[in-house]
Amino acid sequence: RKEVEQDPGPFNVPEGATVAFNCTYSNSASQSFFWYRQDCRKEPKLLMSVYSSGNEDGRFTAQLNRASQYISLLIRDSKLSDSATYLCVVRGDSWGKLQFGAGTQVVVTP
Amino acid sequence: DVKVTQSSRYLVKRTGEKVFLECVQDMDHENMFWYRQDPGLGLRLIYFSYDVKMKEKGDIPEGYSVSREKKERFSLILESASTNQTSMYLCASSPRGSGTYEQYFGPGTRLTVT
Repeated sequence: RKEVEQDPGPFNVPEGATVAFNCTYSNSASQSFFWYRQDCRKEPKLLMSVYSSGNEDGRFTAQLNRASQYISLLIRDSKLSDSATYLCVVRGDSWGKLQFGAGTQVVVTP
Repeated sequence: DVKVTQSSRYLVKRTGEKVFLECVQDMDHENMFWYRQDPGLGLRLIYFSYDVKMKEKGDIPEGYSVSREKKERFSLILESASTNQTSMYLCASSPRGSGTYEQYFGPGTRLTVT
């Protein structure tokens, strides 16, 4: 079983709509959670950290559910530039090692 | 602006060749990482290093070795390249003890072994 699992998509979203997707993680001792964004043929970049109380960054909202071991990302008012693969990332130790999900592809259409 | 550079964007090697992938970061980060990324599998950690001359195995170290002689440079070595090592290789770095654990990635090297 993979440590971090994501729906690969693609999620096809009309411009201006809202899209949400989850990922699940298997290690209940995981300490930190993140969403990274990866554009086509580019390197991953940190989008946002995910806090226990949930957090927002502009049009992006992240939630953590420790009891059910999943995190979610919601994108409001989708823009064409939001088209990318979103990687769910979990940290399980103090050295900064990260476990990456395989990614959820989002395609925003005009 | 933070920067991680990798020696090549594209590389084609033959089976059995020794391959060196170089990564350099200019952020004075203690931690450096090598991943490979394959469709449907995501990023998998090959090796990481938390200090000069220190190295730790990741999840898939077989067939690879690493070298970290200087803080800014982390090299990945394929001792005898095989076709199943055809992949995208990504290097990353992060500061130790920062609390954010954000990793900064290089642009990647797409390696094809024929």
